[in-house]
Amino acid sequence: QLVLTQSPSASASLGASVKLTCTLSSGHSSYVIAWHQQQPEKGPRYLMKLNSDGSHSKGDGIPDRFSGSSSGAERYLTISSLQSEDEADYYCQTWGTGFHRVFGGGTKLTVL
Amino acid sequence: QVQLVESGGDLVKPGGSLRLSCAASGFSFSDYYMSWIRQAPGKGLEWVSYISGSSTYTNYADSVKGRFTISRDNAKNSVYLQMNNLRADDTAVYYCAGDSDGAFDCWGQGTLVTVSS
Repeated sequence: QLVLTQSPSASASLGASVKLTCTLSSGHSSYVIAWHQQQPEKGPRYLMKLNSDGSHSKGDGIPDRFSGSSSGAERYLTISSLQSEDEADYYCQTWGTGFHRVFGGGTKLTVL
Repeated sequence: QVQLVESGGDLVKPGGSLRLSCAASGFSFSDYYMSWIRQAPGKGLEWVSYISGSSTYTNYADSVKGRFTISRDNAKNSVYLQMNNLRADDTAVYYCAGDSDGAFDCWGQGTLVTVSS
């Protein structure tokens, strides 16, 4: 079964960097994922599509501070030079078996 | 500029029906798969359904299969979600999203559906 696992929460200081992790379930380590950001009381925003080799394509207007990388079944979202507006929920998402779309549980990022 | 605007959310009684609409602009709508995604209060995102550009292919989450129907009108650049036999656990903000080979690369602002007696 295709499952994405994310830590429920993360925190980092203003101006620092943070690396969020999304783990694909066993047997799905080659899957492409997408990262989405949801700021408080707003709809989600597409950040990027991330391949298993770490190559990624970002959405329009996404700052260079946002980058993606991969290692095995893990997919990462790194945010550098953290700003207050980066405080948000971050969701990874993929697609596969039966062509269903699947979301991770989300990580709530707090900027200290 | 890509824009998706949902409408149709409302308060409805259990067992009732509702039709959501999503108006799209700023991209080649008929070339795009479109999806509906929902978010229950205080919860994460849950994919609900998708439809292919020509309406040939549709798919549904198990939680809504047999109760919800997705459709589209490319002449109106719109996608719809007909929701029947609504239950309390269908209460959520419903988003439409452009579905680019599985990745949701544009999102609307959402419309709230509340199922309560």
